[in-house]
Amino acid sequence: GENVEQHPSTLSVQEGDSAVIKCTYSDSASNYFPWYKQELGKGPQLIIDIRSNVGEKKDQRIAVTLNKTAKHFSLHITETQPEDSAVYFCAAREAGGGADGLTFGKGTHLIIQP
Amino acid sequence: DAGITQSPRHKVTETGTPVTLRCHQTENHRYMYWYRQDPGHGLRLIHYSYGVKDTDKGEVSDGYSVSRSKTEDFLLTLESATSSQTSVYFCAIGTGEVSPLHFGNGTRLTVT
Repeated sequence: GENVEQHPSTLSVQEGDSAVIKCTYSDSASNYFPWYKQELGKGPQLIIDIRSNVGEKKDQRIAVTLNKTAKHFSLHITETQPEDSAVYFCAAREAGGGADGLTFGKGTHLIIQP
Repeated sequence: DAGITQSPRHKVTETGTPVTLRCHQTENHRYMYWYRQDPGHGLRLIHYSYGVKDTDKGEVSDGYSVSRSKTEDFLLTLESATSSQTSVYFCAIGTGEVSPLHFGNGTRLTVT
């Protein structure tokens, strides 16, 4: 089955700087890669996703890049703000994995220092 | 929260007792999922459903059962709770096999 590794487990950046979180996956057939943000006491919320036929996707201050050859994808947050502090999860879905095919990384705790 | 309600939000129970967690959705999504979240493990799939009365096991299904008698409700049952089942449980819904998942706000379960 799919295996997703996420790094770092904790990331502290100064407000206004950029943050990058990286994930690698094992199954070259995986075709869908979402990112979730989880705030304290709440469920994960989808913030951006990318499919395997696209190399990069942006939504305001958030971008995701995908390198299929190297089997890794990254979340980029620019001009970080205090409200970006949260735990972020990456995930990968295997092609043909069926309804259960979404595998999550273990999460990154992003801390925005004022 | 995409019209997902989990109940209860918090529960403390004793080892050996049965526990049922409920997930209710108002989105009419076909797919529903139960995940557990533990420190160092991220989110792990327990069971999922792809329609009324259609369910299947996930990665960590031992000790859990599910039922879905209506599109909007997905129940997770711990037949005999153990301390290892102390966790935060999340329900999620989706429209298709390759679609974003939308999560509820979770149920924090403590088994003493």
